[in-house]
Amino acid sequence: QTVVTQEPSLTVSPGGTVTLTCASSTGAVTSDNYPNWFQQKPGQAPRALIYSASNRHSWTPARFSGSLLGGKAALTLSGVQPEDEAEYHCLLYYGGAQVFGGGTKLTVL
Amino acid sequence: QVQLQESGPGLVKPSETLSLTCAVSGYSISSGNFWGWIRQPPGKGLEWIGSVHHSGSTYYNSSLKSRVTMSVDTSKNQFSLRLSSVTAADTAVYYCARRGGTYNFDFWGQGTLVTVSS
Repeated sequence: QTVVTQEPSLTVSPGGTVTLTCASSTGAVTSDNYPNWFQQKPGQAPRALIYSASNRHSWTPARFSGSLLGGKAALTLSGVQPEDEAEYHCLLYYGGAQVFGGGTKLTVL
Repeated sequence: QVQLQESGPGLVKPSETLSLTCAVSGYSISSGNFWGWIRQPPGKGLEWIGSVHHSGSTYYNSSLKSRVTMSVDTSKNQFSLRLSSVTAADTAVYYCARRGGTYNFDFWGQGTLVTVSS
């Protein structure tokens, strides 16, 4: 069973920069895993942020950027805003199947 | 604008079958996309259940495969999930979503809570 791992929690100051990562138990995350990132606030459905590792959706603010970094998928938030406090989920593709990470709770403090 | 809306019973008895439908508006379900179901147990992370294409092609989570059936009704522009032999572990908010061309779920329903209890 493939496991996708994210940091359980991170804290960042307003205006700061933070990087969330997404690792695969099968080895390095590559573009063939088509990494996706989602933001979820309490009581709401997830909202898509990034697809194919680094592509923003039309509604995604420019302060969110995605990349492949050191064998993992990464989501970097620059100039963090209070409204960025949320749970962030990554999703990886494995030739038909898809697996979510456990999620990272980001606190803006 | 693509919109998705889940519907179905909010309470299912143990050992019975959970059935949900996702109505799609603003977009044709026959346009070539896959359509997915994702669930989230209370206080936990997201779990991909599976994806279905209007042609009938499906991909299922291997841990649920023996209990899951997904289908598409193009005449009603909706797709469905059936999960058999449910237990309390299947209690979750169930979301439906459109899968974009590069394996991303870009549009989501609001989710529906299904509780498994006698």
